[in-house]
Amino acid sequence: GAVVSQHPSRVICKSGTSVKIECRSLDFQATTMFWYRQFPKQSLMLMATSNEGSKATYEQGVEKDKFLINHASLTLSTLTVTSAHPEDSSFYICSARASGGAMETQYFGPGTRLLVL
Amino acid sequence: GQNIDQPTEMTATEGAIVQINCTYQTSGFNGLFWYQQHAGEAPTFLSYNVLDGLEEKGRFSSFLSRSKGYSYLLLKELQMKDSASYLCAVMDSNYQLIWGAGTKLIIKP
Repeated sequence: GAVVSQHPSRVICKSGTSVKIECRSLDFQATTMFWYRQFPKQSLMLMATSNEGSKATYEQGVEKDKFLINHASLTLSTLTVTSAHPEDSSFYICSARASGGAMETQYFGPGTRLLVL
Repeated sequence: GQNIDQPTEMTATEGAIVQINCTYQTSGFNGLFWYQQHAGEAPTFLSYNVLDGLEEKGRFSSFLSRSKGYSYLLLKELQMKDSASYLCAVMDSNYQLIWGAGTKLIIKP
């Protein structure tokens, strides 16, 4: 149990286009989902915390108008990278915390590798 | 500020034992996690410590000392597939994970 999926797993796009990444909790309901970004040889950096039905909370330095997060249901959160540029190329990982579950339990998705040309 | 320190890289021999240390300073503490991350993949959960002491799970053990702000991950009977990065993360008072930069473990035959 406690499986989180991400789609797509890998995407290549042209500079200036928008890319949407989906994060789904497959067998549990997730009140809270987290979006991370990881550059090569660096640790995970939390971008935003997404709560179902409310606006996401963004970390300092993360542009909310560039990284649009929608947590429309208890099993789906989406991250849209708008007007992507080469510097946005990174590994994007989501994690989900189960509704009613222990606060310390987060389940990670497999990640989405974004390459912007 | 909050910070997590762990060695950047370690090398060990197949079949041996290796200990990866992690020290932390955070605003509050709700547990310490160890994750394994193979290149190009998302992290996978290894262990969670919230009380002092040693937690053993097969070949992997994790130790915590809250008074010292210190943890270690102990890997026994190393296998080539254990070559990966090992991430230490602390959950702070807001239940937010603070991540270390990871320790790249290289296993040699």
